[in-house]
Amino acid sequence: EAGVTQFPSHSVIEKGQTVTLRCDPISGHDNLYWYRRVMGKEIKFLLHFVKESKQDESGMPNNRFLAERTGGTYSTLKVQPAELEDSGVYFCASSRTGGNEQFFGPGTRLTVL
Amino acid sequence: AQSVSQHNHHVILSEAASLELGCNYSYGGTVNLFWYVQYPGQHLQLLLKYFSGDPLVKGIKGFEAEFIKSKFSFNLRKPSVQWSDTAEYFCAVNPRQAGTALIFGKGTTLSVSS
Repeated sequence: EAGVTQFPSHSVIEKGQTVTLRCDPISGHDNLYWYRRVMGKEIKFLLHFVKESKQDESGMPNNRFLAERTGGTYSTLKVQPAELEDSGVYFCASSRTGGNEQFFGPGTRLTVL
Repeated sequence: AQSVSQHNHHVILSEAASLELGCNYSYGGTVNLFWYVQYPGQHLQLLLKYFSGDPLVKGIKGFEAEFIKSKFSFNLRKPSVQWSDTAEYFCAVNPRQAGTALIFGKGTTLSVSS
């Protein structure tokens, strides 16, 4: 089966611009997670979808971040407007209903200048 | 608050040396435990996991980890490392219920010289 995919792999934008990251989970995985790793720090949870519903968004840093999962398939994470501290690697992961193992995508490296 | 502590930021070893990476977690309830690895240029992969049962778990590529409940630890071991083990290693936990977020440690970079 195909793994979790993310697009783009890299994005370089200027402060104040908007960026949209995309994640395609493994087919049939209802759970979709977004994580972020800021340089030098640990990987931190952002939010969790179950199908199209936000199950837990306690990790979202502020209202400049908007995540969607329309139709319960792929998800997007929009940052608007981007700030310097948003730079980092954004990971997406998915898991089956009732599954404890999360499968990760390759990540999107976001650089805000 | 739940947290995961990895003791070593960067470990440098020669090939054939033994490896032990420390991981301690802070959580009051029952947890699932994981070690993930990220090889250079690749995505995070599951190395091994512990849900219940035998506290000594074996993963891929000769790695193993031991869950010691009394110490809240889940240390990763390999008796003899190879150059290809050069990677970043992450310890992670989540509460026993399925579908909960992972809490990661800061990661340990392992460099193995040939």
